[in-house]
Amino acid sequence: DAGVTQSPTHLIKTRGQQVTLRCSPKSGHDTVSWYQQALGQGPQFIFQYYEEEERQRGNFPDRFSGHQFPNYSSELNVNALLLGDSALYLCASRWTSGGGGYGYTFGSGTRLTVV
Amino acid sequence: QQQVKQSPQSLIVQKGGISIINCAYENTAFDYFPWYQQFPGKGPALLIAIRPDVSEKKEGRFTISFNKSAKQFSLHIMDSQPGDSATYFCAATITSGNTPLVFGKGTRLSVIA
Repeated sequence: DAGVTQSPTHLIKTRGQQVTLRCSPKSGHDTVSWYQQALGQGPQFIFQYYEEEERQRGNFPDRFSGHQFPNYSSELNVNALLLGDSALYLCASRWTSGGGGYGYTFGSGTRLTVV
Repeated sequence: QQQVKQSPQSLIVQKGGISIINCAYENTAFDYFPWYQQFPGKGPALLIAIRPDVSEKKEGRFTISFNKSAKQFSLHIMDSQPGDSATYFCAATITSGNTPLVFGKGTRLSVIA
């Protein structure tokens, strides 16, 4: 069973450009969250999608937008890239079970470098 | 406002020793407290997690101790090995609704032989 899959693994973009990152959650996981992790820092929450709607949003500008598709996969779009957007972007899918089980599974991330 | 505070920032432990990382939280509504291990270039991987209805959980060499009254929890790595060298993050969330995982800033652990 594949875990959370993210693409691409690495990306270099120029300031002002736009970028789209993709995530396929683990099978059976219907809630997808996106995080930004700057070098040497903990992951910062960007937003969370469930049933194709944005359910929660962290403290990120409107340049950051997303989408969730009917198959639960998701995209993160960033417009007007800034140098400060350089980071590892992580996708996580959330699971719950009837016995009270709960957890998040993370992908390996997309390393975005803005030059 | 940082809701989860983690210490120390970095830690050096001798092989075979005990590594201890501490976290404190502010939101008493948090009811799920995981620890993640992250190697360079990889995403965080769940190590162990605890709910506030128990004070300790052990899985192999990894133990979480939880103190609800003090709003603190810690990760103990027994018999630390060089392969444990990684960055460790504590996190917290509320399992009902759409509250995201809130992470600490991380602890870089180096286990030396």
